[in-house]
Amino acid sequence: DTAVSQTPKYLVTQMGNDKSIKCEQNLGHDTMYWYKQDSKKFLKIMFSYNNKELIINETVPNRFSPKSPDKAHLNLHINSLELGDSAVYFCASSQARGPEQYFGPGTRLTVT
Amino acid sequence: AQTVTQSQPEMSVQEAETVTLSCTYDTSESDYYLFWYKQPPSRQMILVIRQEAYKQQNATENRFSVNFQKAAKSFSLKISDSQLGDAAMYFCAYRNRDDKIIFGKGTRLHILP
Repeated sequence: DTAVSQTPKYLVTQMGNDKSIKCEQNLGHDTMYWYKQDSKKFLKIMFSYNNKELIINETVPNRFSPKSPDKAHLNLHINSLELGDSAVYFCASSQARGPEQYFGPGTRLTVT
Repeated sequence: AQTVTQSQPEMSVQEAETVTLSCTYDTSESDYYLFWYKQPPSRQMILVIRQEAYKQQNATENRFSVNFQKAAKSFSLKISDSQLGDAAMYFCAYRNRDDKIIFGKGTRLHILP
């Protein structure tokens, strides 16, 4: 039944580590996104993929690399984690040119 | 670049009363979408309501309605008959022609029993 799912929901790790967050959608959507929500609840887009092609790439450190093995999946890999990477990361999806984006439950990343 | 401003960081309303959350935006585009999303403590982002800029009629979804003033670039959300389950962060959002959604900083809504 889950439309947009993310794993894990919580991730605690140490500075310098590399980690991945996985996202899957079963809505048949063509476009997927990653957002970052900081400690002040500000939500900002990081990336979007349309049918496995990178469309939006905001000013994000190149330690962050999205990977889309197929149009139902968009994973986020983060190298050399820093304290400032602590945030909630949301995956979302939409139909191509469709207005609404449907969000996953979020992954709370804590870097210690 | 487009911006979205929510000038009320927090608001409170008595249960069963009506509350209006404000949102203004800045854009040079003529065709776009506006949204209100709700984020309860569970942190799930839930779409509340959507408005197409080309439609003059204000969108409504049950107890939720908007007042869309295109010339003034204003998009407020009215919640009628407030319920305890409405307590959440509410985000106003703008979708531009590049498919990017820009969010406001949010308004935390408290419902007083």
